[in-house]
Amino acid sequence: AIQLTQSPSSLSASVGDRVTITCRASQGFSSALAWYQQKPGEAPKLLISHASNLESGVPSRFSGSGSGTDFTLTISSLQPEDFATYYCQQFNNYPLTFGGGTKVEIK
Amino acid sequence: EVQLVESGGGLVQPGGSLRLSCASSGFTFSSYAMSWVRQAPGKGLEWVSALTGSGSTTYYTDSVKGRFTISRDNSKSTLYLQMNSLRAEDTAVYHCAKVRHGGDVFDIWGQGTMVTVSS
Repeated sequence: AIQLTQSPSSLSASVGDRVTITCRASQGFSSALAWYQQKPGEAPKLLISHASNLESGVPSRFSGSGSGTDFTLTISSLQPEDFATYYCQQFNNYPLTFGGGTKVEIK
Repeated sequence: EVQLVESGGGLVQPGGSLRLSCASSGFTFSSYAMSWVRQAPGKGLEWVSALTGSGSTTYYTDSVKGRFTISRDNSKSTLYLQMNSLRAEDTAVYHCAKVRHGGDVFDIWGQGTMVTVSS
């Protein structure tokens, strides 16, 4: 199974900051990676698919990049509603796997 | 409105069984693969199982193989997860999720149903 390691596991940032979250895979693949946002008590929300495809309705301050074993999620200017936990997920093969999550907290 | 609503969770003793259901609406259920994803209290997301639109092909994470069975009734637009031989480590919120065409990403999620395995 492909293991996904997210870093950092948590971070503190201020509104307006640029935030970058990394997802490293135990084996390489092209672009079969998605990013989700989850707020407390809510179901996850799909933000990005295929490493860099922004979902309809997701603000353009979110972007994704990468291929192979290293992928990143960037929030260009953190907004109050962005404080949440973010997960990467690979869909290159089964079993599907998630990263451990990155909690973005208010500084 | 596209919607997924889970039910069937609860408290069960170790070794017991539960059947979860996920009722869908707002999309052509039979056209899409579906999945179950769980989240233990305070922990991250863990994919559990998936099923193609026709129900002909199933996938499981290793820790539930032989104990859980995913199925669907396309006439009722409902997904199921039969869970047997439950263990304490199966305690989690179980979400059903719609799988998008063209890549196994989860574009619609239910709110989840809580399963607690404890004596």
